[in-house]
Amino acid sequence: DGGITQSPKYLFRKEGQNVTLSCEQNLNHDAMYWYRQDPGQGLRLIYYSQIVNDFQKGDIAEGYSVSREKKESFPLTVTSAQKNPTAFYLCASSTSYTDTQYFGPGTRLTVL
Amino acid sequence: GQQLNQSPQSMFIQEGEDVSMNCTSSSIFNTWLWYKQDPGEGPVLLIALYKAGELTSNGRLTAQFGITRKDSFLNISASIPSDVGIYFCAGRTGTASKLTFGTGTRLQVTL
Repeated sequence: DGGITQSPKYLFRKEGQNVTLSCEQNLNHDAMYWYRQDPGQGLRLIYYSQIVNDFQKGDIAEGYSVSREKKESFPLTVTSAQKNPTAFYLCASSTSYTDTQYFGPGTRLTVL
Repeated sequence: GQQLNQSPQSMFIQEGEDVSMNCTSSSIFNTWLWYKQDPGEGPVLLIALYKAGELTSNGRLTAQFGITRKDSFLNISASIPSDVGIYFCAGRTGTASKLTFGTGTRLQVTL
């Protein structure tokens, strides 16, 4: 089955630790995205990548880092510099940057 | 970054009722999308609109691209319990611009 997978579903970390969230897609999409969702708010764009080995900052990139070494994979690292990391993180992909985005199931990160 | 305003923020309706929600922006959009998010899951695309005035249906769902290009509407007819969730609108101001998301409308359906 084609789709977007995110792992793990739930993640707990201690304050001050870096943590990496996984996002994989087998849809052959060029573009991939990371969003953050907080209660009562819409989705906010963290980083996006239009093509392998290239990525750009979104609206709230501070405290996050990404890599795009393979077309299928776009991992997100939440660093200790992110002041309020507890949130629901969503990965998405699309055929190209201007096409409709499809979302993964999300990872809920809780920093204790 | 800009966010779209969705109305209402939440709705409590009885099974069988029709539902209407809308999304407004201060900017002109050339694409409108409607997504539904079940609790703890990622959003799923319901309807995509690409032309002012366009009216598109997907089963019991109907969405319209506003004539002013600054708003969009989603209607759900004869609601059922599985319609529960958060409905998000999203749009683009230009073909190369990023997708902007609304704040969501939370729908609760009672039997």
